[in-house]
Order: sequence, then structure tokens, then C-alpha cells
Amino acid sequence: NAGVTQTPKFQVLKTGQSMTLQCAQDMNHNSMYWYRQDPGMGLRLIYYSASEGTTDKGEVPNGYNVSRLNKREFSLRLESAAPSQTSVYFCASRANGGSSGANVLTFGAGSRLTVL
Amino acid sequence: QKEVEQDPGPLSVPEGAIVSLNCTYSNSAFQYFMWYRQYSRKGPELLMYTYSSGNKEDGRFTAQVDKSSKYISLFIRDSQPSDSATYLCAMSATNFGNEKLTFGTGTRLTIIP
Repeated sequence: NAGVTQTPKFQVLKTGQSMTLQCAQDMNHNSMYWYRQDPGMGLRLIYYSASEGTTDKGEVPNGYNVSRLNKREFSLRLESAAPSQTSVYFCASRANGGSSGANVLTFGAGSRLTVL
Repeated sequence: QKEVEQDPGPLSVPEGAIVSLNCTYSNSAFQYFMWYRQYSRKGPELLMYTYSSGNKEDGRFTAQVDKSSKYISLFIRDSQPSDSATYLCAMSATNFGNEKLTFGTGTRLTIIP
């Protein structure tokens, strides 16, 4: 029962470098999300995908791109990393619409990114 | 003004005390309310899930919703050091998977042995 798996767990980048955070879920959830968490700011939504083949911007999408590769996988890409993107990133997924508890999120363990 | 307000703490209480964590919100459409617990360097995990007003109890934890005051609470009885974590409230208007949750910023709680 893996749930939501994120890789890598830790990453250090230099300003201007690019990288991709990977996320996979094995719960057959339709919706997947990428959040960032910063001290005093709480969880802020970067991008989400309500279903396979669709993606939408959240609160803080600038500097990021996403790909919903298939129903299981949702990746987050930083094309040109900046120090302001130093954060802990969480992937989450949510059950299909209409069922009891459908709006409950299941989170991954997080990816800690430092941009120097 | 944020849609959901949560006192960030930190909150420190002695072991065995009753803890009260709270969130206020402004959107009267919210009907589904959740509390997530997040241990240090881990992802948030669902602790309590309630619909509309009223109380829900699960072991030492009680979630309370007062929609008329737009106020939700989480009570922890007989608090234990293992309850030390950050607690985040979250809410939404519908039960549908395509609606985004609105989170509070989290309250950091420490239980002192």
C-alpha cells in the first residue's frame, strides 16, 4: 500500500538549473496536486490535474510546469530554478468525485529542494 | 483577509492536558471540514473529517464545527508527546474530487513530557 510516492526526497540545485519532481499514486485517484510548503505560508497550490489529460494553475504557478503523464503519474518541472523556489514540495491525490470522503487528500512524504 | 485563519502557534502544553486548536473561515459555502496532522519532515495525513455542523469523536480526538460562527475546533484529550506535530485545518464547499481544498497555515503543537 504505497499510496503517493515522490522522488527525489532531497535535491540541491544551483540557480538556473532545471529539474523534475516525480509523483506516482497507486490508488486509482482521478485528481492529483502539487503544493509547496514554506514557513508561515502554509500549503500553497502550484498546479493540479482534475483528471488524466487536464492540468490547471493553482495559486503560485509561475516558474513551474507540470505533466500528467497518465492516471498514476504527475510530474512538476522547474525550468530555471531560482532561490525563491527553495521549499518543501508535496504531491497529493484525491479520490473520484461524489463518493464519501472524495475531497480527502492523500499526500506524499515530500521533496525538499534547495536552490543556491 | 485569508479565507481560512489559523493561529500558527507555537503552542506548548504539558502531557495529559486538553488541547484546543481552532480555525475561522469566511466562506459560508464551506460544508466539509478536515484536520490534517503533519509530523516533522513528513507529509500531512488526515486525522478527522466532518460534514456540516456538530461534533465527531475518534478516540482522544474531537472535531467540532459551528457553521453559524464559521469556526471549527479540534480537541485532544489526555495529550501525549506523540501528538507533537503541526495541525492543519482544511475545508471545501463540495464533496467532489475536482474541487480544491482551502487550508489554514497550520498550528505547531508541542506536548511536554
